[in-house]
Amino acid sequence: IAGITQAPTSQILAAGRRMTLRCTQDMRHNAMYWYRQDLGLGLRLIHYSNTAGTTGKGEVPDGYSVSRANTDDFPLTLASAVPSQTSVYFCASSRTSGSHNEQFFGPGTRLTVL
Amino acid sequence: GEDVEQSLFLSVREGDSSVINCTYTDSSSTYLYWYKQEPGAGLQLLTYIFSNMDMKQDQRLTVLLNKKDKHLSLRIADTQTGDSAIYFCAEGAHASGGSYIPTFGRGTSLIVHP
Repeated sequence: IAGITQAPTSQILAAGRRMTLRCTQDMRHNAMYWYRQDLGLGLRLIHYSNTAGTTGKGEVPDGYSVSRANTDDFPLTLASAVPSQTSVYFCASSRTSGSHNEQFFGPGTRLTVL
Repeated sequence: GEDVEQSLFLSVREGDSSVINCTYTDSSSTYLYWYKQEPGAGLQLLTYIFSNMDMKQDQRLTVLLNKKDKHLSLRIADTQTGDSAIYFCAEGAHASGGSYIPTFGRGTSLIVHP
């Protein structure tokens, strides 16, 4: 089934632990994105990648890192989780990073950091 | 984000029209988007409008764009309970390196009651 998947669906994590959120798309989209969604704050961009091998920082990159070794995968890593990183994380992809880039979103990962 | 503003809540009666408003700041935005998020799911593109258009109609949806005032609206005719969701306005803002990254508003929660 074509689309974008995320894993895990949800996770409870102790503060200080390392965590990688996985994102995979099979649409051969060039661009991929990571957002966090918090109540009252909407979607905020964490990191993005316009094409395999390149990444860029979004609005709230601190405490997160990404890699884009191939077209399909775009993992997000929290090196040492803190409670303020409790959020719902959405991965998205778009065919291009041009002026018209409809984004396709994954189902999200609900992360709780205690 | 700060650059795209929308009211947080809208409550309407089933069968009435809903109008969700949005203002944006980047006059270079070529495309403007409306996304819908149902409970527990990721965002899905609802419709979009090219910046040289004033209006776009798609079945029950009408998008109006006032480029001079940087104002975008989404009208849903004959609103149904299944339309209850969060609606996000997004502008395709120009980012570094020639790419465009959508900037999202905080989302408007539409509540449809019988």
